[in-house]
Amino acid sequence: DIQMTQSPSSLSASVGDRVTITCQASQDISYSVNWFQQKPGQAPKLLIYDASTLEKGVPSRFSGHGSGTDFTFTITSLQPEDFATYYCQHYDNLLRWTFGQGTKVEVK
Amino acid sequence: EVQLVESGGGLVQPGGSLRLSCAASGFTVADNYMSWLRQAPGKGPEWVSVFYSGGVTSYADSVKGRFTISRDNSKNTIYLQMNSLRDDDSAIYYCARGDYFDHWGQGTRVTVSS
Repeated sequence: DIQMTQSPSSLSASVGDRVTITCQASQDISYSVNWFQQKPGQAPKLLIYDASTLEKGVPSRFSGHGSGTDFTFTITSLQPEDFATYYCQHYDNLLRWTFGQGTKVEVK
Repeated sequence: EVQLVESGGGLVQPGGSLRLSCAASGFTVADNYMSWLRQAPGKGPEWVSVFYSGGVTSYADSVKGRFTISRDNSKNTIYLQMNSLRDDDSAIYYCARGDYFDHWGQGTRVTVSS
């Protein structure tokens, strides 16, 4: 099974900061990585799919890059509503989905 | 507007059973992958099962042989029959649409405890 290693597990940042989260796959997975945001008491929300495509309605300060085994997720200018936990996720052709361990973005 | 509403969660003893429902509106479940996922307290989401158009199903190893996903097209609803429940099955259970999980329900809580 493919493992997704996400880092860091948490980070502290201020409004306006640039934030970057990484996800490494245990083998080449092409572009099949999605990124989710989850706020307390809410279901996860899809932000980016296929490594870099922004989901409809998601602000352009969110972006994703990468292919193969190394992927990054970036918030270019952190906003107050962006303090949340973020997850990478991989989907394989055997109909299985795997999430990373999550990154909690906290107020500095 | 796409909506997913889960129900059926609750408190059950180890070894017991529950059936969860996910009622969809704003789209047709038969035309989409439909999955169940769960999230234990303080943990990340975990994919549990998928029902793919055409009747194909798949399960996480942790629930294989104990859980069964099904679909009722006339009710536009998917189900998760959970048998032989264990303590580590306690979680909020969500249904989600598609292979990207672009829409999620609000979740239903399952607690397995004696």
